[in-house]
Amino acid sequence: EVQLVESGGGLVQPGRSLRLSCAASGFTFDAYAIHWVRQGPGKGLEWVSGISWNSGTVVYAGSVKGRFTIYRDNAKNSVFLEMTSLRPEDTALYYCVRDIGEQIRGGGWFDPWGQGTLVTVSS
Amino acid sequence: SYILTQPPSVSVAPGKTASITCGGDNIGGKSVHWYQQRPGQPPLLVIYFDRNRPSGISERFSGSNSGDTATLTISRVEGEDEADYFCQVWDTGSDPLFGGGTSLAVL
Repeated sequence: EVQLVESGGGLVQPGRSLRLSCAASGFTFDAYAIHWVRQGPGKGLEWVSGISWNSGTVVYAGSVKGRFTIYRDNAKNSVFLEMTSLRPEDTALYYCVRDIGEQIRGGGWFDPWGQGTLVTVSS
Repeated sequence: SYILTQPPSVSVAPGKTASITCGGDNIGGKSVHWYQQRPGQPPLLVIYFDRNRPSGISERFSGSNSGDTATLTISRVEGEDEADYFCQVWDTGSDPLFGGGTSLAVL
């Protein structure tokens, strides 16, 4: 079964840092780009960041650029999202999702989605 | 930047047909994907590349895309179809974009 499992969420104060992890199984991990998508409480979906199969391409939404860093460890079938200078507006459920191919070419869909990990930024 | 517009809510009676729209400037020139999100669940892909159904998705789900509007159509609506639905495109080569979502109520 193709599966993505997120972890690392929690309650954090504004300005602090947090690292999210995404563990993949059931497919050839290094054949796919991986993304993070978040959903604020009661809100819609917002793409956050993506990384190609070999880490050669990394992309970020403008709202997190300069504060978040995505990276992957293909030997451990894992992707990570290092989040710094967190703000209350970063509060959301963070999903790890698989692209349709190894590169971030645009045009494709996201499938599957993990269950998400909740990040709450509050003092 | 590119904007996708979805109606906040759509209501339909069981057994009838629901149409959920996703508007954008010449969206017909883009590939549109649709996701269903039931309460407390992660999104699930129901339509890709405008009109294709993934394995395991009911044939009651169909899609179209032309001009400035893409449409997700659910025929013979059932109670289990009650969910939020999101459309998705790519704004540029590296910027995925989601519509605001439509809440489907089955009356």
